[in-house]
Order: sequence, then structure tokens, then C-alpha cells
Amino acid sequence: DSGVTQTPKHLITATGQRVTLRCSPRSGDLSVYWYQQSLDQGLQFLIQYYNGEERAKGNILERFSAQQFPDLHSELNLSSLELGDSALYFCASSPPGAGITDTQYFGPGTRLTVL
Amino acid sequence: DAKTTQPNSMESNEEEPVHLPCNHSTISGTDYIHWYRQLPSQGPEYVIHGLTSNVNNRMASLAIAEDRKSSTLILHRATLRDAAVYYCILRDPFISSGSARLLTFGSGTQLTVLP
Repeated sequence: DSGVTQTPKHLITATGQRVTLRCSPRSGDLSVYWYQQSLDQGLQFLIQYYNGEERAKGNILERFSAQQFPDLHSELNLSSLELGDSALYFCASSPPGAGITDTQYFGPGTRLTVL
Repeated sequence: DAKTTQPNSMESNEEEPVHLPCNHSTISGTDYIHWYRQLPSQGPEYVIHGLTSNVNNRMASLAIAEDRKSSTLILHRATLRDAAVYYCILRDPFISSGSARLLTFGSGTQLTVLP
């Protein structure tokens, strides 16, 4: 158990819909990262937040957005869902001042299925 | 960005040592070598990291070539629980922004452990 929690574990929805994935980082960690893992694309970095501020952006679609709240939990919002958005979505966190190591601790993931 | 090359798959017998190779011929002087692994149906987990010297921890050892163009993750006694995808990742913590500062996951090596 990494200490990072993600809800829900599974989500099934239809094309065109909007969903919200939630992540609670490890106690004390200020950074939150979101990744998407699909069969054909592997593990892709989406976005990073640090203490409420966006720190880095990867291949995140405009239909996707995220935020980190004052209590440091984060939400990933996916809208106008398409079949190709079906994937595992992982959240990771890292401690403040990680600097050199920036060891990331991953949650168990949310499996999104778009029908 | 510096890239890594790993074999797609490897097999090992239980309780025998496993050497997982990684080539990174374009590594820069400030790139750290990180290894993560992903067990089936789980998020990735940190294994080990290093810069120039060989490193040991409770999970594994990391042997880094003198020219740093390659490295080897060593599992001293493979167990069935070590069956996973192993990712070798280069990360430059001294770059203020951009993908080189982040963990960029490739396709990794699928390790199968035979009983």
C-alpha cells in the first residue's frame, strides 16, 4: 500500500459524458501527478500539481482538466468522453523537497471504460 | 530527451538472480537512472535509482557502467512476486522544466518468473 488513494476503482460510462476521478496523496506529499495508461500508448504523463499550482503539463487533451485543492487532494475531470479515453488512470504523489530523487508513489488506479 | 532501450521480455527461474539490462547511450552528465516496476493490476512502484556508483537497497541492486551508457538492475533471488514490467527511466532533476525533469515511462521489460 503506497498511501495514495484513488476513487472510484472502476467507472463505466458512455461516450459524450463527463467524469471526475479523485486522488488523495500520501500524508505530507505536496506534488500530485496524473498518468494515463492504455494498451497502445503505455503510461503517459498528463499533468502535475504542486501545492495547488500547476507545475508541469504533458500530453493532456483539452477535454481533460485537473486541479489540486487546499487539502491537497486532486481531481481529474474528463469531459466529452470518447471510446479512446478508456484506460487506467493513475495518480502519484511525491514528498516536498524530493529534489534529486523525486520518488513517486502511485495509487492503485481508476479503470475507466467508455461504452 | 535521453532515451532508454530495454528488452521487451525476459524469463527467470524462481530463487535465481535476474539481471535486467538498460541501454542509455545518450545519457547526459546530470541524468539520474531510475527503475520502477509495475506488478499486474497495480500502479508502478519505485525500485531504485543512481547516478554513477552502484547502489543497493532492500529490493534490488543497480549496477551502472563506468561510461554510464548502460545499467543493470539486479534482483538477487527472484520470487514469483517479482513478475512485473520493469521500467528504466532517465531523469534530470536540474532542469527547471520540461519532460527531462519528469518520469517518462517507456515500454519496459516484462519479467516472467518460472516456478
